[in-house]
Amino acid sequence: QLQLQESGPGLVKPSETLSLTCTVSGGSISSSSYYWGWICQPPGKGLEWIGSIYYSGSTYYNPSLKSRVTISVDTSKNQFSLKLSSVTAADTAVYYCARMPALGTFDYWGQGTLVTVSS
Amino acid sequence: DIQMTQSPSTLSASVGDRVTITCRASQSISSWLAWYQQKPGKAPKLLIYKASSLESGVPSRFSGSESGTEFTLTISSLQPDDFTTYYCQQYNSYPYTFGQGTKLEIK
Repeated sequence: QLQLQESGPGLVKPSETLSLTCTVSGGSISSSSYYWGWICQPPGKGLEWIGSIYYSGSTYYNPSLKSRVTISVDTSKNQFSLKLSSVTAADTAVYYCARMPALGTFDYWGQGTLVTVSS
Repeated sequence: DIQMTQSPSTLSASVGDRVTITCRASQSISSWLAWYQQKPGKAPKLLIYKASSLESGVPSRFSGSESGTEFTLTISSLQPDDFTTYYCQQYNSYPYTFGQGTKLEIK
């Protein structure tokens, strides 16, 4: 059974960089059939796609965040990561990692991790 | 960006009711539309993909349909477990975008 697990600090100071890692178990991140993505959800609000990555390193980012986002992949560790720079309180959200079949849905999700931006 | 407009924002219904949630795209997305169910404190769960294809393991009381740029999620007979929030998502083009959500409440 495929599982995804987000990890990283739950508290980040304003202007600093948010860093999260998603560890994939029960399947290979190097499968040619899937992309891997990050989605965020501010408290009490809706979902926003942040970006996605293929095992080869090809990335797609949401233009609304593109200048601040970097997504990378480490196939040796079966992990992919998110970095979001220059965070503000508006970046406080639950961050989910998810598997994305080539068609573009999100069929397996991590449990999510709440990141709070506060001094 | 393609805007996805869901309606209603909140829907009150009773167990056994048939309900419909609508999602309208700001431009053509072909059939590249998914529906998710999200329970409080949990990750979204994929219900429907390609507008009307049921994800494996999802009860058959859930169904999806489309007409042009308008998409609907129908629950044929509400069960107690169904009272939660639903989102649509387009994956026709980047950036992928979600509707604002519909909260299904017990009447």
